[in-house]
Amino acid sequence: QEQLVESGGGVVQPGRSLRLSCAASGFSFSSYAMHWVRQAPGKGLEWVAVIWYDGSNRYYADSVKGRFTISRDNFKNTLYLQMDSLRGDDTAVYFCARDVTVNGENWFDPWGQGTLVIVSS
Amino acid sequence: SSELTQDPVVSVALGQTVRITCQGDSLRSYYASWYQQKPGQAPVLVIYGKNKRPSGIPDRLSGSTSGNIASLTITGAQAEDEADYYCNSRDSSGNHWVFGGGTKLTVL
Repeated sequence: QEQLVESGGGVVQPGRSLRLSCAASGFSFSSYAMHWVRQAPGKGLEWVAVIWYDGSNRYYADSVKGRFTISRDNFKNTLYLQMDSLRGDDTAVYFCARDVTVNGENWFDPWGQGTLVIVSS
Repeated sequence: SSELTQDPVVSVALGQTVRITCQGDSLRSYYASWYQQKPGQAPVLVIYGKNKRPSGIPDRLSGSTSGNIASLTITGAQAEDEADYYCNSRDSSGNHWVFGGGTKLTVL
């Protein structure tokens, strides 16, 4: 079945870096745009970034622009999020999700189970 | 505006009908999608496009849009519908996405 599995979360000090991965299986990964979405403890969902199916375009939320980089390896069926200059307010569960767009309708499905990033000294 | 506004908390009696709304200018251009999230779990798509449900989502959940307001309606709410619900759409630029703040649904 279509599945996304995140990894790479953990505890990191403020100002340091971390790279998250999202392994895709059960669908043609290279045909879809992919997103990262995060959720701070007890808070709502926040869209973080998107990358086009071929990596040709990438867009970021203002809160992470210039610090985070989304990328993908279509040969490895894997999505990445490089997080630099981490701050306390980056503490969250990070989800990856597939973008589906058909005839102008757009949705996120499936989602991974999430990986927790804690930024703390 | 690139924001989507949801009521933080909504309650419904078991078996009754409830509407969860999502308001934002981008909804005049883009359909909302809706996600259900239960504690400790990843979000799950429940409604997308013009009132479409993924396989496995009960038909008591439905969606609609009028102007800049998207709605998720649950007809005959069940205990298992108790969850957080989030709306999502592209923002006005078309290249960013935005989530509503979420609605916590309590089934009494």
